[in-house]
Amino acid sequence: EAQVTQNPRYLITVTGKKLTVTCSQNMNHEYMSWYRQDPGLGLRQIYYSMNVEVTDKGDVPEGYKVSRKEKRNFPLILESPSPNQTSLYFCASSFWGDNEKLFFGSGTQLSVL
Amino acid sequence: AQKVTQAQTEISVVEKEDVTLDCVYETRDTTYYLFWYKQPPSGELVFLIRRNSFDEQNEISGRYSWNFQKSTSSFNFTITASQVVDSAVYFCALSNYGGSQGNLIFGKGTKLSVKP
Repeated sequence: EAQVTQNPRYLITVTGKKLTVTCSQNMNHEYMSWYRQDPGLGLRQIYYSMNVEVTDKGDVPEGYKVSRKEKRNFPLILESPSPNQTSLYFCASSFWGDNEKLFFGSGTQLSVL
Repeated sequence: AQKVTQAQTEISVVEKEDVTLDCVYETRDTTYYLFWYKQPPSGELVFLIRRNSFDEQNEISGRYSWNFQKSTSSFNFTITASQVVDSAVYFCALSNYGGSQGNLIFGKGTKLSVKP
């Protein structure tokens, strides 16, 4: 089954404790992206990747890191989480260049205390 | 700059009513794509439709229909004979073709509540 898998689904952590949210897709997509969703703000792009070893900042990259060492995986890293990073996070993937619809993961609800 | 505006924050209707969700976009690109996504209470994002800027034909899919008007930069979504299962947050989104950022710009969403 074609899917984007995010883990964990829910995460509660404390300020400053490094964490990683994993994202994996099995559709051989070149393009992957991370979004955060906040009430009243919709979804905003954090980082995106056009292919292996190619990543770039989205609209709200501060406080986040990503890596794309393999085509299928695109982890989101919070080196020192802060409460303002409490949010619902979505990973997405698609084929690049033809604006196919994005496939979204199920989301990760992160709470930073 | 690209922007998507969904002016209706929340809409509440009674089952079987028709409802239209508004979406207005801004872009300087001549080639772009517009999308609608549904987010039910379970939280996942469900793709509904993609429309490119060269195709202004309206589209109907069952109880759903979309009206794309380039003259007013709008891409409105109508649900006919709404049902309780239509209750969700609906997002309109814009993407420029082959853009270097590959970004999907989302509106802030419209929360639709359909009451029995």
